[in-house]
Amino acid sequence: NAGVTQTPKFQVLKTGQSMTLQCAQDMNHEYMSWYRQDPGMGLRLIHYSVGAGITDQGEVPNGYNVSRSTTEDFPLRLLSAAPSQTSVYFCASRPGLGIGETQYFGPGTRLLVL
Amino acid sequence: SQQGEEDPQALSIQEGENATMNCSYKTSINNLQWYRQNSGRGLVHLILIRSNEREKHSGRLRVTLDTSKKSSSLLITASRAADTASYFCATEVSSNTGKLIFGQGTTLQVKP
Repeated sequence: NAGVTQTPKFQVLKTGQSMTLQCAQDMNHEYMSWYRQDPGMGLRLIHYSVGAGITDQGEVPNGYNVSRSTTEDFPLRLLSAAPSQTSVYFCASRPGLGIGETQYFGPGTRLLVL
Repeated sequence: SQQGEEDPQALSIQEGENATMNCSYKTSINNLQWYRQNSGRGLVHLILIRSNEREKHSGRLRVTLDTSKKSSSLLITASRAADTASYFCATEVSSNTGKLIFGQGTTLQVKP
C-alpha cells in the first residue's frame, strides 16, 4: 500500500491564483482530513470528511473548499490564494470514527503564496 | 484556540539519556495521541492512550495520562540520535467528528 499520498510536494502561487492540492489514500479509509502547519502553531484542522459525499469544516476553513466524490480522494481547493495561506498542508486518513483509531498522515505539500 | 500546550518547547540531550515531554490540555478528551515529525516530513503516529487509561508502553516509549490534571507525558528511554525530531501531542475531543487538536510540539535533539 502507498498509504496517503499528496501532490504536489511544493508549489509557488501568486496572490489571487487558485489551485487544488491532491490527496489520495489506498487503505479504504472512510475518514479523511486536511491540516495546515504553521511555525509555532502546531497543526490546525481545515476540513474533514467522514465518508464519500460528506464534508465538514474544521478550525480554519475560510479560503478553502473540499469535496469527497470517492472514498480514495479528498482534494483541497484554494479559491483565491493569499499570503496568509503560505503553510505546509497535510492530508490524513483513518479507518472511521471508532475510538482509538490511528491517523495516517501524508508527506505534506509546501505552499508559498507571493 | 490551541487545546494542547507542550513543554518544553525544545530539549537537547545526549544519546542514552531519557527524554520527557509534557502536554497539557483544556477540555475533556476521548483519547490523547503522540506523533513524531522528522524535519520536512509528515507526522508518524507513535502511541494512543484512551481517557480511561493511565499508562501505556510501546518499546522505548512510555506515555502517562492524568485526566484530573488534564496532562500527559511522553518518556523516551535510552534515546538515540535517530530520535531527533519534533514530537506533538494531539487530543481527540469528539467521537462524532474525529477532530484532532494538536499542541505546538517539542523539538528534541539527541546528540551522539
